[in-house]
Amino acid sequence: EAGVAQSPRYKIIEKRQSVAFWCNPISGHATLYWYQQILGQGPKLLIQFQNNGVVDDSQLPKDRFSAERLKGVDSTLKIQPAKLEDSAVYLCASSFAQARETQYFGPGTRLLVL
Amino acid sequence: GEDVEQSLFLSVREGDSSVINCTYTDSSSTYLYWYKQEPGAGLQLLTYIFSNMDMKQDQRLTVLLNKKDKHLSLRIADTQTGDSAIYFCAESGSGNTGKLIFGQGTTLQVKP
Repeated sequence: EAGVAQSPRYKIIEKRQSVAFWCNPISGHATLYWYQQILGQGPKLLIQFQNNGVVDDSQLPKDRFSAERLKGVDSTLKIQPAKLEDSAVYLCASSFAQARETQYFGPGTRLLVL
Repeated sequence: GEDVEQSLFLSVREGDSSVINCTYTDSSSTYLYWYKQEPGAGLQLLTYIFSNMDMKQDQRLTVLLNKKDKHLSLRIADTQTGDSAIYFCAESGSGNTGKLIFGQGTTLQVKP
């Protein structure tokens, strides 16, 4: 079974530029999560999708971050414009259903904002 | 509120047991988890425990849960150099939506 795929693996941009990350969850997984992991910290949930609907985006900085999951499969996370403090690893995870289901994580995208 | 705290660093010798501790605040959490993160990699689920249990054993891993004190621990028996990684404790939080609240991670260093 293929795991969660993410691209790109690394990205370096200057502040005020835009960037987008892509995630392909495990086939058949209805729930998709985007986490932000700042160096030295644990992952923090940014947004959770159930199929193509948003379940929780309470910690997503909506003035600059946006995410979509068209057709309930792949997802993209965008930052526009980026700030220095957005430097982090962005992790995508998926699970078969919502609660009580194991979340499988992708390798993450490392973003450095200069 | 929801908060998870862990000690930052643990160093052990190969063959010894490692014990990583975690405290959490949300007593309504249904599940508590331990994840492992190796350098440059995503998170790998090691084990989890349901909140009505106080112990779970899985090969070299033993999870102990003290719900009264909101304390969770992970014991790794016969620690190997391949166990060197960052270990994250996570709680499922309230609402049962699947959202995970992670601690800041404990770096385990295993010396040969």
